[in-house]
Amino acid sequence: EDQVTQSPEALRLQEGESSSLNCSYTVSGLRGLFWYRQDPGKGPEFLFTLYSAGEEKEKERLKATLTKKESFLHITAPKPEDSATYLCAVRAGGFKTIFGAGTRLFVKA
Amino acid sequence: GAVVSQHPSWVICKSGTSVKIECRSLDFQATTMFWYRQFPKQSLMLMATSNEGSKATYEQGVEKDKFLINHASLTLSTLTVTSAHPEDSSFYICSARLAGVDEQYFGPGTRLTVT
Repeated sequence: EDQVTQSPEALRLQEGESSSLNCSYTVSGLRGLFWYRQDPGKGPEFLFTLYSAGEEKEKERLKATLTKKESFLHITAPKPEDSATYLCAVRAGGFKTIFGAGTRLFVKA
Repeated sequence: GAVVSQHPSWVICKSGTSVKIECRSLDFQATTMFWYRQFPKQSLMLMATSNEGSKATYEQGVEKDKFLINHASLTLSTLTVTSAHPEDSSFYICSARLAGVDEQYFGPGTRLTVT
């Protein structure tokens, strides 16, 4: 069964304290892994798409990486405005997109 | 680019009435649109997938007679919650995908409260 698991459920960081969020997946025929950011009461905002192991993408303080079993979202020197829920999703061979439960990130000034 | 809008952003209705939510892709043509439901502090639950001009495909457990989806054009999809009950209160989010692109672009969501 296709599955996406994110960890940790919640992460509290001090401003400037770098860390990583994990997304592990088991799917048949990966067609893409996606990272989204969601602020409270809003729709998810698209961040990255990764397709193959070894691929990396960066945007400001965020860097997403992909292996055959998991993806990491690295946050370098986070700021309070980076506080949000980060969602990982995978599009499988059957073309359905499966979302993880998300990691709630809190960055304290 | 890839902007999706939803209207209304929030709505309060009485039990037994119907509510329509619109989802529009503003700067692209969306071959496929999706409707999700999200409960507080939980992830997105896919309700249905719709392709322009075709009937929507509903996920298991979603009542198609209660949640009517119409994808009338490449830029507009509507979700109508019929005979709403308090348990239908939730955050409804639509998304759209362009042909040949794998990622989805989400609308800002609609908060529905049924009293």
